[in-house]
Amino acid sequence: DAGVIQSPRHEVTEMGQEVTLRCKPISGHDYLFWYRQTMMRGLELLIYFNNNVPIDDSGMPEDRFSAKMPNASFSTLKIQPSEPRDSAVYFCASSLAMVVQPQHFGDGTRLSIL
Amino acid sequence: DQQVKQNSPSLSVQEGRISILNCDYTNSMFDYFLWYKKYPAEGPTFLISISSIKDKNEDGRFTVFLNKSAKHLSLHIVPSQPGDSAVYFCAANENRDDKIIFGKGTRLHILP
Repeated sequence: DAGVIQSPRHEVTEMGQEVTLRCKPISGHDYLFWYRQTMMRGLELLIYFNNNVPIDDSGMPEDRFSAKMPNASFSTLKIQPSEPRDSAVYFCASSLAMVVQPQHFGDGTRLSIL
Repeated sequence: DQQVKQNSPSLSVQEGRISILNCDYTNSMFDYFLWYKKYPAEGPTFLISISSIKDKNEDGRFTVFLNKSAKHLSLHIVPSQPGDSAVYFCAANENRDDKIIFGKGTRLHILP
């Protein structure tokens, strides 16, 4: 079975550019989560969706960040304009629609903003 | 303020011995706890969990202990193997919420 698929695996871009990260969750999973991992803050939740609807975006750092889930099999996290402090590894995860189910993570996108 | 704390950034253990990873939490409403394991260049993978109605859960070499009064949980790995070298994340959930809160992780090195 295919797991959570993220693209690209690596992204290097210059400050000010728009960055779009993509995620395909596991089929049948109703929850989708976006995380950011940094040395300083560890693994922090940015936003999560239930049945394609954003439920909690309180972790989104600022208005430069936006996330969408147009359908059950695709989500994007966009940063516009990007800044060097956005450099981190971004993970997408999905889980089944129950109270607490283990989340299945993709392999992440390593983002470097120069 | 961090609600889930892993105060040891790293830990080194001899192969074959017991590895004990610790986690403290501040939110008394947390009632479900999970451990994830992460290898470099991969996403975290679920390892083991425990509900607050239990104080121990065991799965093969992995055992999680929960001390609710101390707001503390620990992951025991015995015997430790080279493949256990990874970063371990503790995570917690409050039943009425769908999200889980992660600690910063502890890097475990298993020494030959």
